[in-house]
Amino acid sequence: GDSVTQMEGPVTLSEEAFLTINCTYTATGYPSLFWYVQYPGEGLQLLLKATKADDKGSNKGFEATYRKETTSFHLEKGSVQVSDSAVYFCALFTGANSKLTFGKGITLSVRP
Amino acid sequence: DAGITQSPRHKVTETGTPVTLRCHQTENHRYMYWYRQDPGHGLRLIHYSYGVKDTDKGEVSDGYSVSRSKTEDFLLTLESATSSQTSVYFCAIRTSGSTGELFFGEGSRLTVL
Repeated sequence: GDSVTQMEGPVTLSEEAFLTINCTYTATGYPSLFWYVQYPGEGLQLLLKATKADDKGSNKGFEATYRKETTSFHLEKGSVQVSDSAVYFCALFTGANSKLTFGKGITLSVRP
Repeated sequence: DAGITQSPRHKVTETGTPVTLRCHQTENHRYMYWYRQDPGHGLRLIHYSYGVKDTDKGEVSDGYSVSRSKTEDFLLTLESATSSQTSVYFCAIRTSGSTGELFFGEGSRLTVL
């Protein structure tokens, strides 16, 4: 079945540091890939997405590239801010079952 | 704003009691989902609906039932709540023709004592 594996957390960085959060997936067919963010006390928000191989999703300074050859969708940001402190979820969707499958999430804390 | 409202937002109940969580949407989207969020597990799908009276199970459906008698409302029922069902429950909708992105409600925190 479909699955998403995220790197173990939590992650703590200093402001302006470079961020990479790893995500790999297993899926039948050709999934769409997503990163969601959850700020404290809130629901999940879509951060970015990519729908086919080699697509790059970007938003709020975050980027992720759909790599079919390595089945990966790693999230990156060149300079994190304190306001980026949140939980980040990688997810995939395949039309075959109409379901969004999530990774376990990783907590990012950015200190001033 | 996808117009999703969950109620109640917080509930404390006792083991063995029935609980119903409501998800209401204002935009008549066909697909609606219920997930639970637990530390170390991420979000796990409980049930979803693809139309009025059309529902299907997710990966953690045991102990839960759902109903969708109107397009705008998707109800999640715990017939006899257990402590293992203490969790944060999220409703989500998927827009027609989308590439799979979901829009989530604010969540309902349920504590079963």
